[in-house]
Amino acid sequence: GESVGLHLPTLSVQEGDNSIINCAYSNSASDYFIWYKQESGKGPQFIIDIRSNMDKRQGQRVTVLLNKTVKHLSLQIAATQPGDSAVYFCAERESWGNKLVFGAGTILRVKS
Amino acid sequence: GAGVSQSPSNKVTEKGKDVELRCDPISGHTALYWYRQSLGQGLEFLIYFQGNSAPDKSGLPSDRFSAERTGGSVSTLTIQRTQQEDSAVYLCASSPFAGTVYYEQYFGPGTRLTVT
Repeated sequence: GESVGLHLPTLSVQEGDNSIINCAYSNSASDYFIWYKQESGKGPQFIIDIRSNMDKRQGQRVTVLLNKTVKHLSLQIAATQPGDSAVYFCAERESWGNKLVFGAGTILRVKS
Repeated sequence: GAGVSQSPSNKVTEKGKDVELRCDPISGHTALYWYRQSLGQGLEFLIYFQGNSAPDKSGLPSDRFSAERTGGSVSTLTIQRTQQEDSAVYLCASSPFAGTVYYEQYFGPGTRLTVT
């Protein structure tokens, strides 16, 4: 979802359910897209990435989907666990040199 | 192995003072990045260094901000005449290389700067 000011969108899920976090990116020329997880007081941690010539990539319990037509990226987390609670950011690489442009983030809260 | 480290972890300063934030990248990583994260916001790119090339300063918000990287390793971000709007978490990241091939950026824990 879109963020407004300081209010990040929040997704609350029950432990064991699947989570889907969405992101709209801005630049159709971006060639890499990355999902990061940030826990309180820590720096972002890489989760999974996807190249622009792919539309799906799977990792351990996570899947990233890329829809270039509508410039949309999603992160699916299977069997969500309490340890998945964090802020999730999507990022796009716009140019040579690894400079990343980050989305505003989504808070994921997992209820036990 | 050791990750990216940053110091100090927290810094409180008075408006108008200068501050220096330090980043120690992962050994052997030639690319180093600084980002800023305001409360409840995403990360905002500030500057990046790649080897001995001229740094990409396109994200620095004003000429009060500068950064240097000595010996291709440690980097210092300096903010002169701090303003309250500079209050944020400053994050440093490093990667093995920056170029046409994407390499994962590893982030440090950040320095939380509060300007009073």
